[in-house]
Amino acid sequence: DTGVSQNPRHKITKRGQNVTFRCDPISEHNRLYWYRQTLGQGPEFLTYFQNEAQLEKSRLLSDRFSAERPKGSFSTLEIQRTEQGDSAMYLCASSLGGLLTGELFFGEGSRLTVL
Amino acid sequence: AQKVTQAQTEISVVEKEDVTLDCVYETRDTTYYLFWYKQPPSGELVFLIRRNSFDEQNEISGRYSWNFQKSTSSFNFTITASQVVDSAVYFCALSEEGSGGSNYKLTFGKGTLLTVNP
Repeated sequence: DTGVSQNPRHKITKRGQNVTFRCDPISEHNRLYWYRQTLGQGPEFLTYFQNEAQLEKSRLLSDRFSAERPKGSFSTLEIQRTEQGDSAMYLCASSLGGLLTGELFFGEGSRLTVL
Repeated sequence: AQKVTQAQTEISVVEKEDVTLDCVYETRDTTYYLFWYKQPPSGELVFLIRRNSFDEQNEISGRYSWNFQKSTSSFNFTITASQVVDSAVYFCALSEEGSGGSNYKLTFGKGTLLTVNP
């Protein structure tokens, strides 16, 4: 499968624990995005990488959230000291070039449940 | 601020009926792009169409058609002769220029759940 791959697909954790999600974009894609989707809502932008550079972080990303994309390949999204409000689907997407010329390909998401 | 409104939360139709999904947007940008995505139960968002603000021509792709009207800030999506496989959540989205200086952010509506019954 050459699409965007996300792991784990599901994560259940207790409040206060740290979790990390991984995203493997389509191999030649230089741009990578993280979105968060809660039940009954549309996805909300979290952060954006162009190659290894993180160019923007949404205000939705508190200090407990950190994202990296070492070497411009896969990306990780870590949430420290999880809270129940962090429960959501975390979506990763990648594109070759920008939104206006290329197509955004989404992964199937990583669902986080914080008890 | 950017805003996308999909007033229809859920729509249920019988197979072969035509159905229109509404999308109204707000933006201060003079140049912007509108998108529709489909999200089946598997969760993966699938790109359907991108339309720029200078192109108001309607587009048809098979059973899908899109009506962009800048005067009413609407970008509606019609499925003709709906099929059970069309059942999904459909999102309308608007591009936004990020602080990095290019359009890379999408503002999504809340989505419309379409159920096509046999």
